[in-house]
Amino acid sequence: GAVVSQHPSRVICKSGTSVKIECRSLDFQATTMFWYRQFPKQSLMLMATSNEGSKATYEQGVEKDKFLINHASLTLSTLTVTSAHPEDSSFYICSARDRGRDRGIGKQYFGPGTRLTVT
Amino acid sequence: SQQGEEDPQALSIQEGENATMNCSYKTSINNLQWYRQNSGRGLVHLILIRSNEREKHSGRLRVTLDTSKKSSSLLITASRAADTASYFCATDAGFQKLVFGTGTRLLVSP
Repeated sequence: GAVVSQHPSRVICKSGTSVKIECRSLDFQATTMFWYRQFPKQSLMLMATSNEGSKATYEQGVEKDKFLINHASLTLSTLTVTSAHPEDSSFYICSARDRGRDRGIGKQYFGPGTRLTVT
Repeated sequence: SQQGEEDPQALSIQEGENATMNCSYKTSINNLQWYRQNSGRGLVHLILIRSNEREKHSGRLRVTLDTSKKSSSLLITASRAADTASYFCATDAGFQKLVFGTGTRLLVSP
C-alpha cells in the first residue's frame, strides 16, 4: 500500500516550452502533497506544499509563476514548469501524506521522480 | 538554511562491515526519519524515531536520537552490496513538511 506514481519519468523539452508533471497517490487519499527538487548528488529541497482544493504554499525563493502547482483532487497533484530554461533541468520528486493512517506522524510516501532536461 | 547536515558525505565499506551515518539538525522536532535513495530513484522510508525516543531498531537498522545535541545516527549492521545508496535524514518540526539533511552516499563493495 501507499504507492505514489509520477509521470513522466523522464522528459526532454526545448527552452521556452512548458512541462507538466503529474503525481498520483494510487491507493490512498492524499490531502497534502509535496514537491521537491534535487540536483545531482545533492539533497532534496522542498519547493512547495500542495493542499487539495487550495493554493499551494511555496518555499522562500521558489517562483510561484514559474512552478505552477494544482492539487485538484485527493489523488492528483500537478507541477507545471512554465517557460522552462536549462537551469530548470533537475530531478523533481513528489511525495504525499496518507492522512487516513498518518495519525499526525508525518511519514511521507515518495514518487519515483521525474528527470527534466531542458535543451 | 534549516537544512540538516550529515556526515560523512560519502562512506565506502566492504560487505559484512557496519556503516554508521550521523545527522545533525537545527530546530526542535516532533520526529526524525531516515530515507534511502537508490541512484536516480525516489525515496524509500526506512525508519521513524519520535522526539521522546532514544533508540529504535528495524531489522539491520539501528537509529539513535539525542535531542539535547540535536543529532541522530543510523547504523546498518552486516552491510550488503544491495545497501549501496544515498541515505538522508529528515526532520519533522510539526509544520507538515520535512527538512532533509545533506545525505550520505554509501558504497558497499562485495
